[in-house]
Amino acid sequence: ELKVEQNPLFLSMQEGKNYTIYCNYSTTSDRLYWYRQDPGKSLESLFVLLSNGAVKQEGRLMASLDTKARLSTLHITAAVHDLSATYFCAVDIKAAGNKLTFGGGTRVLVKP
Amino acid sequence: DTGVSQDPRHKITKRGQNVTFRCDPISEHNRLYWYRQTLGQGPEFLTYFQNEAQLEKSRLLSDRFSAERPKGSFSTLEIQRTEQGDSAMYLCASSPRDRGNTEAFFGQGTRLTVV
Repeated sequence: ELKVEQNPLFLSMQEGKNYTIYCNYSTTSDRLYWYRQDPGKSLESLFVLLSNGAVKQEGRLMASLDTKARLSTLHITAAVHDLSATYFCAVDIKAAGNKLTFGGGTRVLVKP
Repeated sequence: DTGVSQDPRHKITKRGQNVTFRCDPISEHNRLYWYRQTLGQGPEFLTYFQNEAQLEKSRLLSDRFSAERPKGSFSTLEIQRTEQGDSAMYLCASSPRDRGNTEAFFGQGTRLTVV
């Protein structure tokens, strides 16, 4: 059974500092996704990572994928208040219909 | 096409009542997924369709739950005899079958509260 684990579960950040969220998954998967969710809202796609060594960046967020270690990281550079949200990673397997298996989420709170 | 649309956005129902949710996917997407998200947790897969065919159901989908996609376009998710444990956000997502580099796109969700 495919399992996805994120850590930490909660991250209290200071504005201007850098932080990393980790995502481990248990079996070989085809794609890894990062989503952002604001309270009471749906999921906003941030990144799709397809291959080993993939790195994608958007603004203060950078995601990377190591398929050999089954590990993805989401790095936040110089945190700002607007980044406060819950971040989820998810993986899918093409042979299983590309249904997503999600991690438990990392709740991020950026304090001034 | 403005994306995946779900209706209603919020539903409050009494325990034991039946409820039905609707999802309209992005028009060219032939895959449609339903997920459930309880408070403080990640979304969990319930079921998915390719066109009108329901290809997989999670064991989370008890016999009180039924989903349909009769013409391969919109989908409905019905919960019969609702229980308090059914309170959650129900999310619908759609994607092309050959996803390539594309992720699944999520709707805004239907928040169900069973009182």
